[in-house]
Amino acid sequence: QKEVEQNSGPLSVPEGAIASLNCTYSDRGSQSFFWYRQYSGKSPELIMSIYSNGDKEDGRFTAQLNKASQYVSLLIRDSQPSDSATYLCAVPMYSGGGADGLTFGKGTHLIIQP
Amino acid sequence: DAGVIQSPRHEVTEMGQEVTLRCKPISGHNSLFWYRQTMMRGLELLIYFNNNVPIDDSGMPEDRFSAKMPNASFSTLKIQPSEPRDSAVYFCASGQGNTIYFGEGSWLTVV
Repeated sequence: QKEVEQNSGPLSVPEGAIASLNCTYSDRGSQSFFWYRQYSGKSPELIMSIYSNGDKEDGRFTAQLNKASQYVSLLIRDSQPSDSATYLCAVPMYSGGGADGLTFGKGTHLIIQP
Repeated sequence: DAGVIQSPRHEVTEMGQEVTLRCKPISGHNSLFWYRQTMMRGLELLIYFNNNVPIDDSGMPEDRFSAKMPNASFSTLKIQPSEPRDSAVYFCASGQGNTIYFGEGSWLTVV
């Protein structure tokens, strides 16, 4: 059973600062990694995916992957109050990739303080 | 595309009653998933269909739960009889490639 671990938080970050969210995973064979954002009362929505070691940037978001350490992180630059949400890290349950189902961490609750 | 469509959005029912949740996946997606989310356990995969065929139902908690996908555009998750511990948000999701997309969820309260 693949496991994904996240600090539940809450993580409180002042507006304009960098928010850093971390995730570790148990299966060394995992090849793809996903970050979902979930606002209170809403469904999870995909914000980033990463497949290779290193950094991947998309606007204010940067995903970082270190397969040797089984560690993936999400950085949010210039944090805004609208970034306040729960961020879920996920890995594929099977070898076929995300469309075969994802195992999610319990999420980190991020609060951006104005 | 309208996205994954779930109904009902909210359901309050009495213990022992049958509950049926419905889902219309995104057209063209081959994979369909039913997840359950609670504060204690987070998001748990209940069952996974591929091309309308159940592939993995190991997450279905017990025989009171059943799921069907009679065609590519419709799936149901049924709980019979319902119990208070079934209270949760039930998400349907569909996928293609390396991405899955969630519906808005069905908020179930069993009293």
